Amino acid sequence: GENVEQHPSTLSVQEGDSAVIKCTYSDSASNYFPWYKQELGKGPQLIIDIRSNVGEKKDQRIAVTLNKTAKHFSLHITETQPEDSAVYFCAASLGTTFGDGTTLTVKP
Amino acid sequence: DTAVSQTPKYLVTQMGNDKSIKCEQNLGHDTMYWYKQDSKKFLKIMFSYNNKELIINETVPNRFSPKSPDKAHLNLHINSLELGDSAVYFCASSQGIYTGELFFGEGSRLTVL
Repeated sequence: GENVEQHPSTLSVQEGDSAVIKCTYSDSASNYFPWYKQELGKGPQLIIDIRSNVGEKKDQRIAVTLNKTAKHFSLHITETQPEDSAVYFCAASLGTTFGDGTTLTVKP
Repeated sequence: DTAVSQTPKYLVTQMGNDKSIKCEQNLGHDTMYWYKQDSKKFLKIMFSYNNKELIINETVPNRFSPKSPDKAHLNLHINSLELGDSAVYFCASSQGIYTGELFFGEGSRLTVL
């Protein structure tokens, strides 16, 4: 089955800095790559996604890049704010197999 | 109006007991899922149903039995609970099979003593 690796497992940044989380996947048939944010005590919520026919997608301070040849994709958060602190998950294999998560802490 | 709702939110029970978690979605989606999130926050898919038909059944002990009475409901029944079953269980739905965004419920925290 699909294997999704996510790094780093924890990330601490200063408010205003950028944060980057990376994922690699194994199944070359994967064509949908979402990112979810999970706040404490809540279910994961989609923040951005990308399909395999696109290399990059942006939504305000959040961007996702995809390299299908290398089978990796990344989440970029610019101008981080304390409310960005959460656990972030990537997913692949048609969007149902999740990485192990990254706990992002933004220090004010 | 909650899109994906799960009950109960918290469940504390003894080893060996049987328990159920219910899930309902009002989004009109065809596909529903159960995920397990352990203490390390790892999120693993357990089951998926599309229009009441089982389509994903990961390596899960057969003590876990999902039931979908209609496409808006997916319940999870767990027999002979073990300590290792303690986790947060999330229900999710999507418009169709592998069509994109998953909409998650708030989770049901199961503690087995």
